[in-house]
This record gives sequence, structure tokens and C-alpha cells, in this order.
Amino acid sequence: DQQVKQNSPSLSVQEGRISILNCDYTNSMFDYFLWYKKYPAEGPTFLISISSIKDKNEDGRFTVFLNKSAKHLSLHIVPSQPGDSAVYFCAASRGSNYKLTFGKGTLLTVNP
Amino acid sequence: DAGVIQSPRHEVTEMGQEVTLRCKPISGHNSLFWYRQTMMRGLELLIYFNNNVPIDDSGMPEDRFSAKMPNASFSTLKIQPSEPRDSAVYFCASSFKGNNQPQHFGDGTRLSIL
Repeated sequence: DQQVKQNSPSLSVQEGRISILNCDYTNSMFDYFLWYKKYPAEGPTFLISISSIKDKNEDGRFTVFLNKSAKHLSLHIVPSQPGDSAVYFCAASRGSNYKLTFGKGTLLTVNP
Repeated sequence: DAGVIQSPRHEVTEMGQEVTLRCKPISGHNSLFWYRQTMMRGLELLIYFNNNVPIDDSGMPEDRFSAKMPNASFSTLKIQPSEPRDSAVYFCASSFKGNNQPQHFGDGTRLSIL
């Protein structure tokens, strides 16, 4: 049973445009959500997070939106840059339970 | 700043051999996590420690897997005996204990069991 789902295995966008990566979850107990970026042969790198008490968190070019009623979150990257090309993982956890449940990732390709 | 350090980066060994993966967490972090990544199952948590104590090992696949954290700066994940289906990338991560503290990952060990 996959509790965190990233339904798009890949996404291709042009440099300068917006990238939108989506994530759905099924466990209503999740209350902390994170996005990680992963380059080949490297470990996942923490990008941005959001608590369930918020519906938006912004850090530079990266914004995460949370829709609790739909159990959906998204990551917006504006403007997209070729260096953003990587696999993006969505992850979720419950309160003080530190276990992260990951989606299977979306490969983002930003074309020059 | 030094991140999470894992060794070896690559390990190729024959079925039945013992494999030991090593991890040095970020200094000051008191939570440590071992994950496994495969094509079929993605990233899965195997075990995590708080203050060197194993808290949840429900993700450890079977008794052939064991993990230890003898001190705050070192952890091992051991597989004995190894099997081809254990081939995967194993990641170690660490964080500060507390709500909403992101985990920081090492670069992983790519394990191939022949």
C-alpha cells in the first residue's frame, strides 16, 4: 500500500518556465511534508518542507503548496533552470514520529 | 561542514558473504536512519536510532539484517549472509531530534550481490 504517490515518473520543461511537481498521500495522519532533490550517484538533498498548519511555504524559487482536504501537495519551481534537472522525491511523516514515507520520485528535465 | 559520510561507496561481493556498511552522521545530530532504495520499492526506511538506541526496526527485511550504533558518531548495517535480492543502494541519514527536523542523507552505498 503506497501511502505517498507521485504519479508522474517524469516531467520536461523549458528553461525559464514553471515546473510543477505533484504528490498525493492517503494517510490523513501525516502532518509534515518534505521535498528532496536527488542527482545521480548522490544522496537526496533536502529542499523545502511544510507543516500541516500551513498551506504554503516559499524559499526563493521554490514554493510548496499543501491542500489537506485533497491530500495533495505540489512543488513549484520558478523560473526553472537546467541545474534543477534531477529526481524529486516527496516525503511525509506523522508528528513526532520521525519515519519518512517517500514517493517513488519524478524525474525533472529542464531543457536549455 | 561535513555531511553524512558513508563507506564504502560501492561494494560487490558474492552471495553468502557478510557485508558491513558504515555511516558517520553529522556531528550533533542525535537521530540516525538507514534506508534502502530499489527500483521496485523506492526508498524504504529500514531502522532508526535516537540517541544511539534503536527505536523502530520494523522495516528490517529479515534476521539476516542487523544494525548497531555503538556511539553518536558511528553506525553499521550488516547483512549476513547476503543474497542477490539484497542488491540495492543503501542510504544513511541523520537529523536533530524534534518535530519537523529534516533528515540529511549521505551519498549511499551501492551494493551488488552476485
